[in-house]
Amino acid sequence: DTAVSQTPKYLVTQMGNDKSIKCEQNLGHDTMYWYKQDSKKFLKIMFSYNNKELIINETVPNRFSPKSPDKAHLNLHINSLELGDSAVYFCASSHLDSHEQFFGPGTRLTVL
Amino acid sequence: GNSVTQMEGPVTLSEEAFLTINCTYTATGYPSLFWYVQYPGEGLQLLLKATKADDKGSNKGFEATYRKETTSFHLEKGSVQVSDSAVYFCALINTNAGKSTFGDGTTLTVKP
Repeated sequence: DTAVSQTPKYLVTQMGNDKSIKCEQNLGHDTMYWYKQDSKKFLKIMFSYNNKELIINETVPNRFSPKSPDKAHLNLHINSLELGDSAVYFCASSHLDSHEQFFGPGTRLTVL
Repeated sequence: GNSVTQMEGPVTLSEEAFLTINCTYTATGYPSLFWYVQYPGEGLQLLLKATKADDKGSNKGFEATYRKETTSFHLEKGSVQVSDSAVYFCALINTNAGKSTFGDGTTLTVKP
């Protein structure tokens, strides 16, 4: 069974569109994250979220918004996509006490 | 704030060579330290961790020791294999705040 899954694996879209990436974890973790990895492999945390607190990296544009329908899901919604949003987006989860993060396989977003 | 500085890559080694990837950090409080590995086309996976000073994490022949006096967590392996070719990320998590900080990643290529 996949611990952290993301859909879709690839997403190709036009500038200006709105898109969502879904993430699900079946580990019973209470904290989930979204990361952006650029073409140079630099990894930047965008959000961390548990049922009490959303922590937003202040450099993330407000076109990006996380949505959590329940503890096992944290989806990423992106409005008005721009060329610079092209990257690989990783979802991750952890238990609040251990902090070891488990990563999903990534979603490669290409904005044309 | 917290920061992680990793040795710049790319690093290219011959099979059976000794590997060191340097990692130093700045942090408030008492962070936990991690090394993650990202194989081509995959998400990050935990390689090893250490939660307090002088702890040594080890896995798959890799080792790293949490050195508080030098604020370092260098990754070592005595004899690398072609299958070790990947991107390696050093990370710290401030256990008080649950905030994670990743280094820029070091790409390792091992040639037969």
